[in-house]
Amino acid sequence: EVQLVESGGGSVKPGGSLRLSCAASGFTFSNAWMSWVRQAPGKGLEWVGRIKSTTDGGTTDYAAPVKGRFTISRDDAKNTLYVQMSSLKTEDTAVYYCTTGSNVLGYWGQGTLVTVSS
Amino acid sequence: DIQMTQSPSSLSASVGDRVTITCQASQDIRNYLNWYQQKPGKAPKLLIYDASNLETGVPSRFSGSGSGADFTFTISSLQPEDIATYYCQQYDNLPFTFGQGTKLEIK
Repeated sequence: EVQLVESGGGSVKPGGSLRLSCAASGFTFSNAWMSWVRQAPGKGLEWVGRIKSTTDGGTTDYAAPVKGRFTISRDDAKNTLYVQMSSLKTEDTAVYYCTTGSNVLGYWGQGTLVTVSS
Repeated sequence: DIQMTQSPSSLSASVGDRVTITCQASQDIRNYLNWYQQKPGKAPKLLIYDASNLETGVPSRFSGSGSGADFTFTISSLQPEDIATYYCQQYDNLPFTFGQGTKLEIK
């Protein structure tokens, strides 16, 4: 059974940093492209970015609002996906979901809430 | 960026009704479109991929169609457990984008 468990969310002041983790199990993580999607309170879904599998180059792509501030990475030995978020803004407040896949987001974690507020 | 416009934004229907949601892309996205269901307080769930392919385990009352810029999502006979918000998502071009969602309620 595929499981994705996000952690690391919490409250942070504008300008601060936070690192989210996503522990994956039930599939071959090293072969998987992975993505992050966020959802601001009461709003719709927003694609944040993706990382290709290491064998496919491990490169990343980002949405414009987070490019240069967020960094997606992976540790295949730990079956874990990360997103390092810096220079956080109030508009980054959202539930952050990790998902399997890139084009088709097949499995989703339960999400972790990030609140950016002074 | 490709804009995805869903219609309607909200919908109220009775159990057993046929429900249709449309999604229009701002440009041709071929068939690179997915549909997701999100129940209140839960993570989204993939229902339809590549415009018309039913994800494994998803009930057959759900279906999708379309190509190019115009797509349709249909529930053939609405069930109480279908109460949710539904999103379309394109993956023809980065950044991948979602529609604004359609909130489905029981009348």
